[in-house]
Amino acid sequence: DVKVTQSSRYLVKRTGEKVFLECVQDMDHENMFWYRQDPGLGLRLIYFSYDVKMKEKGDIPEGYSVSREKKERFSLILESASTNQTSMYLCASSTPRTGVTYEQYFGPGTRLTVT
Amino acid sequence: KNEVEQSPQNLTAQEGEFITINCSYSVGISALHWLQQHPGGGIVSLFMLSSGKKKHGRLIATINIQEKHSSLHITASHPRDSAVYICAGETSGSRLTFGEGTQLTVNP
Repeated sequence: DVKVTQSSRYLVKRTGEKVFLECVQDMDHENMFWYRQDPGLGLRLIYFSYDVKMKEKGDIPEGYSVSREKKERFSLILESASTNQTSMYLCASSTPRTGVTYEQYFGPGTRLTVT
Repeated sequence: KNEVEQSPQNLTAQEGEFITINCSYSVGISALHWLQQHPGGGIVSLFMLSSGKKKHGRLIATINIQEKHSSLHITASHPRDSAVYICAGETSGSRLTFGEGTQLTVNP
């Protein structure tokens, strides 16, 4: 079974703190994604990565950065946390093949509260 | 207007009822995904389809490419089917664009 794990289920941080959210997958997937989920807005893509050391901006990258130093690990960084970044953060991974689409496997999510 | 829209937003049914959730999209997609999210946040993939129809147990997903429309059906619904159901269109590079989700509650 594919497993995607996230470092914390619940996290409380103060405004201005630097926050690291870690995601690890154990299936050698090339693609990794970070989403945030908010009521009424659904899931929105923050950043994604197709390979080690590679990153692409999603739909809402402002206030976030990412790091992918190893294939299995994709980190989301909030450089200076703000209250509007209070949200559920979900990581996912998938493996692409030319002409074939593969499902995304999601981690359990991290509920981040910024006070 | 969202690129992927679902209806209804909320749905309450009695156990045993046949349920349909609809999804319309306005962007070009390579596949349409249906996902399920239970309380607590975990999301699992139910279906991924680019044409026709797929069935898994009591769940059926269909897609009409010309009309840019997909439906998720649940036959003989059960309280354990209560969850949020999310459709998502896959665009370039495996990116997903999500609908807002449909909260399904099945009462015993």
